[in-house]
Amino acid sequence: AQKVTQAQTEISVVEKEDVTLDCVYETRDTTYYLFWYKQPPSGELVFLIRRNSFDEQNEISGRYSWNFQKSTSSFNFTITASQVVDSAVYFCALIVYNAGGTSYGKLTFGQGTILTVHP
Amino acid sequence: DADVTQTPRNRITKTGKRIMLECSQTKGHDRMYWYRQDPGLGLRLIYYSFDVKDINKGEISDGYSVSRQAQAKFSLSLESAIPNQTALYFCATSDSQAGSLSGNTIYFGEGSWLTVV
Repeated sequence: AQKVTQAQTEISVVEKEDVTLDCVYETRDTTYYLFWYKQPPSGELVFLIRRNSFDEQNEISGRYSWNFQKSTSSFNFTITASQVVDSAVYFCALIVYNAGGTSYGKLTFGQGTILTVHP
Repeated sequence: DADVTQTPRNRITKTGKRIMLECSQTKGHDRMYWYRQDPGLGLRLIYYSFDVKDINKGEISDGYSVSRQAQAKFSLSLESAIPNQTALYFCATSDSQAGSLSGNTIYFGEGSWLTVV
């Protein structure tokens, strides 16, 4: 079975601070994808990034960066110079694949981290 | 316009009533999913479909049924709604082509808020 843990339930920062959201995952499968989604107050789930288990390169997209480390089963997300519009719930998620590359169709989500950025 | 469209976006219904949530997508993806989100429980998979003739139960399918009317349409029904089915429901899609840039990424609709009273 898979498990995703986001230990930080809530984080509160002041605008322009950097903030890191932690994600630790558990799986025995060797082929999997990790995701981060953003859920703003309006409720929709917005895809931010996908990373496969064979690609440990870190990625930067504007103010967002992600650090994937298989050795510690972590996929952390950092927002640099946070803004009020970053206030949302952020979910880390995992999906596994069998040897044939077919997914089991089930995203395992963490419980989410509520990020509040104050002006 | 959204690539994954859910209707209705909000619905209040009474216990025992039948309710259908509809989902349509313009992404051309072969796979579609229904998830439900509850406070403190995160998102849980209700049903998923890898193509029109392939429908599978997820972890919480009891009390729900689905229909994949076409590749682009996947509806979720509550035959006899009960209050503990009050939740935010998400339809999602993904592309099974692993080699594509978007392959295996799951994209979500805007969600449907359902309240059963």
